[in-house]
Amino acid sequence: GPKVLQIPSHQIIDMGQMVTLNCDPVSNHLYFYWYKQILGQQMEFLVNFYNGKVMEKSKLFKDQFSVERPDGSYFTLKIQPTALEDSAVYFCASSLEGLNTEVFFGKGTRLTVV
Amino acid sequence: QQQVRQSPQSLTVWEGETAILNCSYEDSTFDYFPWYWQFPRESPALLIAIRPVSNKKEDGRFTIFFNKREKKLSLHITDSQPGDSATYFCAASASSGSWQLIFGSGTQLTVMP
Repeated sequence: GPKVLQIPSHQIIDMGQMVTLNCDPVSNHLYFYWYKQILGQQMEFLVNFYNGKVMEKSKLFKDQFSVERPDGSYFTLKIQPTALEDSAVYFCASSLEGLNTEVFFGKGTRLTVV
Repeated sequence: QQQVRQSPQSLTVWEGETAILNCSYEDSTFDYFPWYWQFPRESPALLIAIRPVSNKKEDGRFTIFFNKREKKLSLHITDSQPGDSATYFCAASASSGSWQLIFGSGTQLTVMP
């Protein structure tokens, strides 16, 4: 089936540094998402992106977070600067349509901030 | 405040038995309930989904039973197979404008051969 690819699978970064998580969504999808999962807890919505704009963001999407998809390439999540509490697995997802449709997830990037 | 709750946290059944995974929610505006399953080191993937226009959705060995009045739903897996061993996530969303899928914390199912 359709695949969402996330690169890298694991990243370790020093607190205060910048990190960019990359996502290659399903090729014809139009809606893009990031979710965050802390170990042992549920996945939580961070942000939704469509037509070059953030449509909705949650309270977890701090000012240090930003997303973009320049020229239809990777959909990225940038954290600058990182904090210890940003350590989590970040899942990228995409969907062809918007509300209440099938969302395809990547395998996640495990971010460890030390 | 957890809007979607799942129980049990973990469940072990023998091959051939029926596994029952429970989910409840709080927001009455939720009108789409997908179940995702996730195998170790794999992506969460959509297994089956239901909308409140019906109280039952069946797909092979997997059936969702939905009780709108009590805000509860359950996933029944009949004739469980060892290959069904995975973590199952109940999720919910509302078509009233939010893009969020609200996930439960998951049930880890183990099917013993």
